[in-house]
Amino acid sequence: DTEVTQTPKHLVMGMTNKKSLKCEQHMGHRAMYWYKQKAKKPPELMFVYSYEKLSINESVPSRFSPECPNSSLLNLHLHALQPEDSALYLCASSQDMGYYEQYFGPGTRLTVT
Amino acid sequence: GQQVMQIPQYQHVQEGEDFTTYCNSSTTLSNIQWYKQRPGGHPVFLIQLVKSGEVKKQKRLTFQFGEAKKNSSLHITATQTTDVGTYFCAGLSTSGAGSYQLTFGKGTKLSVIP
Repeated sequence: DTEVTQTPKHLVMGMTNKKSLKCEQHMGHRAMYWYKQKAKKPPELMFVYSYEKLSINESVPSRFSPECPNSSLLNLHLHALQPEDSALYLCASSQDMGYYEQYFGPGTRLTVT
Repeated sequence: GQQVMQIPQYQHVQEGEDFTTYCNSSTTLSNIQWYKQRPGGHPVFLIQLVKSGEVKKQKRLTFQFGEAKKNSSLHITATQTTDVGTYFCAGLSTSGAGSYQLTFGKGTKLSVIP
């Protein structure tokens, strides 16, 4: 199974809402990533978890809160987002950090109204 | 910080023509990875290059890593409509603290005219 799954596929939320994005992989990968991708732009790294511990936080605003409940799951909690946060949120995993290919999920298309 | 420049931004080719996209890094890279993202899809890993001067082929795709490990290219021979998408290079650099940073180029969007 080389699949990374993400739910939901689409999400519309108001600026005062709290929502969560979910990501799951069953490849035994020890590194998991959250990326943000705006239209016609490359993926922009937000967070990296390595062995269930937050390894990299690319100066992301606190309205985005990541969580890694176990080695297969990665969540991104959203609160008080801004319209400019509307984007495709991609989850990815790799065997470990560094010299390993990343497997991307299909993404969650987020619209903030 | 590390920057990875990728050109061209867009490329329109007739089916059967060749296509090349180039990446240049401001710093020496540990490796470089290539991904393809189809319209409406997500990035899919194509290949990883690690050694200086490395050349790898996948059917009609040829990937090269420069001698100085600062540049790379992807060449597609005789493009097909299935090659449509955005091709991203992503350069890996390491810090003295043992952490890794994968930086994506801006991508080259390939359109193939049947």
